[in-house]
Amino acid sequence: NAGVTQTPKFRILKIGQSMTLQCTQDMNHNYMYWYRQDPGMGLKLIYYSVGAGITDKGEVPNGYNVSRSTTEDFPLRLELAAPSQTSVYFCASSYSGQRLPGANVLTFGAGSRLTVL
Amino acid sequence: AQTVTQSQPEMSVQEAETVTLSCTYDTSESDYYLFWYKQPPSRQMILVIRQEAYKQQNATENRFSVNFQKAAKSFSLKISDSQLGDAAMYFCAYSGGSEKLVFGKGTKLTVNP
Repeated sequence: NAGVTQTPKFRILKIGQSMTLQCTQDMNHNYMYWYRQDPGMGLKLIYYSVGAGITDKGEVPNGYNVSRSTTEDFPLRLELAAPSQTSVYFCASSYSGQRLPGANVLTFGAGSRLTVL
Repeated sequence: AQTVTQSQPEMSVQEAETVTLSCTYDTSESDYYLFWYKQPPSRQMILVIRQEAYKQQNATENRFSVNFQKAAKSFSLKISDSQLGDAAMYFCAYSGGSEKLVFGKGTKLTVNP
């Protein structure tokens, strides 16, 4: 049981390049999330999904796109990379079915450190 | 929108001593959950403890316990008998009627031998 797997772990991009951060979970979780973590700023939600085919914006979605074609996969696409997107990115998943959506405990991936130069 | 505030960017504690990390939050919801997550140098986020707002009893997990004051919107984490492995960033987080989790900015805990 691998949990949440993110790839790559590290990547350096040039300004204007594009890339996709991959995220896969094998726990049959229906909720999936992408967060970014900047020093001293905590984690900010980029996009999330409550199930295959359904995605929604979080707090900081500009410059990113996502898709959710399967329950397992939730890739994050960066178009036209900018230095402001230098960050550590975390994918997470959780299972609904609790009394309240907010009860969900997130399982996180190990993070992907992205540097845009 | 809900907000979570951690007013202590850094804290330190001697090994075997007790330390308390502070967290306050703002919400208009009456039913919600609060969490403490730990992020060690490995970067892996790990759940420490979860509190349900409708339960008056404070949650505990071994050496970790919380002081949940609903009226004051306060949710502090107490670590007893601190160990070197407790050194990490600690994030307070809120989640209510939405699927989204809102995080504070974190407190860096140093444990001195």
